[in-house]
Amino acid sequence: DAGVTQTPRHEVAEKGQTIILKCEPVSGHNDLFWYRQTKIQGLELLSYFRSKSLMEDGGAFKDRFKAEMLNSSFSTLKIQPTEPKDSAVYLCASSLPGNTEVFFGKGTRLTVV
Amino acid sequence: QQKVQQSPESLIVPEGAMTSLNCTFSDSASQYFAWYRQHSGKAPKALMSIFSNGEKEEGRFTIHLNKASLHFSLHIRDSQPSDSALYLCAVSPGYQNFYFGKGTSLTVIP
Repeated sequence: DAGVTQTPRHEVAEKGQTIILKCEPVSGHNDLFWYRQTKIQGLELLSYFRSKSLMEDGGAFKDRFKAEMLNSSFSTLKIQPTEPKDSAVYLCASSLPGNTEVFFGKGTRLTVV
Repeated sequence: QQKVQQSPESLIVPEGAMTSLNCTFSDSASQYFAWYRQHSGKAPKALMSIFSNGEKEEGRFTIHLNKASLHFSLHIRDSQPSDSALYLCAVSPGYQNFYFGKGTSLTVIP
């Protein structure tokens, strides 16, 4: 079974650029999450979708971060414009609704210079 | 919004020791409690979960939940170097988002 697939694994962007990260959830999973992980803040929620509908977004991330679910098997996270403080690992995860295990992708490590 | 806090931030134990990790949460209506483990450079992966008060054991790992105290914990018996990882606790109010703690970094010394 394919797990959660994220591309690219690594991304280097210059300050001010627009970058798009991609995610394919586990087949059949209706819930999809985008998290940002840093050592200082830990896992921070960016967006949460259920059956392609946006259920929750991290308030602090609204202005430059936009996640979309183009269909049930593909999601993107756009950061526009990027800033050095956005350097982090971005994790995509999916699950079945209702208190079940969350499956994570391997993440995209973003470096903004 | 749910607050999830973990302690300690980091822990170093000798091989064979009992390790205890703690997690507190703020929403008493929470229904799902889990521990995830993340080895360096890898994706977090679910370790075990619990839904009701009490204790659950799986091999060397035991999870305790006390909803009244807004606290749950993970205990690792006979800790092994392969247990060295970042441990994340997760809480959900049910059919909604999962809230994660910042993690406890565990190092098991051979």
